[in-house]
Amino acid sequence: GAVVSQHPSWVICKSGTSVKIECRSLDFQATTMFWYRQFPKQSLMLMATSNEGSKATYEQGVEKDKFLINHASLTLSTLTVTSAHPEDSSFYICSAEDLAGVVGELFFGEGSRLTVL
Amino acid sequence: KQEVTQIPAALSVPEGENLVLNCSFTDSAIYNLQWFRQDPGKGLTSLLLIQSSQREQTSGRLNASLDKSSGRSTLYIAASQPGDSATYLCATYTGANSKLTFGKGITLSVRP
Repeated sequence: GAVVSQHPSWVICKSGTSVKIECRSLDFQATTMFWYRQFPKQSLMLMATSNEGSKATYEQGVEKDKFLINHASLTLSTLTVTSAHPEDSSFYICSAEDLAGVVGELFFGEGSRLTVL
Repeated sequence: KQEVTQIPAALSVPEGENLVLNCSFTDSAIYNLQWFRQDPGKGLTSLLLIQSSQREQTSGRLNASLDKSSGRSTLYIAASQPGDSATYLCATYTGANSKLTFGKGITLSVRP
C-alpha cells in the first residue's frame, strides 16, 4: 500500500520556538494532504487541507498564522508550529490522497508528538 | 453535516471471540467508508475501504459491511487475538471538500 512518512516522530521544544513537521508521500503523488491534531483519547480533528501550489484551507478556529502549512511539491507538505506554547503540545498526524488512486482513500503518516516545555 | 458515531467507546473480550464493531453515520450520501486501526501513540493504518456501491470488503480475519440506506457499517473480527488490541476508527468520505469525518473510535482490548 501507499506509504506516508512523517518526520520527526517526536519533538520537544522550548516555549516560543518554532517547530516544523514534514509529511511525505513516498511512493505516490498527492495534490492534497491533510493535517490533523489528536488529543489524548480523542479522535482526529482536521486542522487544514494542504493544496499543492496554493494556499492551505484552514478549519474554523485554527489560526493560520500559528500553524503555517506549505505544500511545495506533490510529495511534501510541511506544518510549522510558530511560537509554540505548552497548549500546542499534541499529536499531529498528516494524511494524503493518491492522485492516481481511489478517490477518497487516504493514507496516514505515523504521527508526530510535539511537547512544548 | 455528517456525524459518525461509534458505540461503545471501549470493549474488552477474551481471546478467540468473534466480535463486531459498529459505526453509524447520519448522511447516507457517502462515496466510501474506511475502517482504520490506531495503536497507542501511532498513526492510522487503513484496514478496509468500502465504496458506496459495495456491500462488504474482506481482508483476512476482518470483514466490513456497509448499509448506506440505514447509515450503518460493521467491522467483524474473527477469532480475536491479543494483537488485535487497538483503537478502531471508522470514517466516511462524502466528497465535500475531500474531507473524512471520523467517529471517536472503539478501544478494543483482547485478553489472553
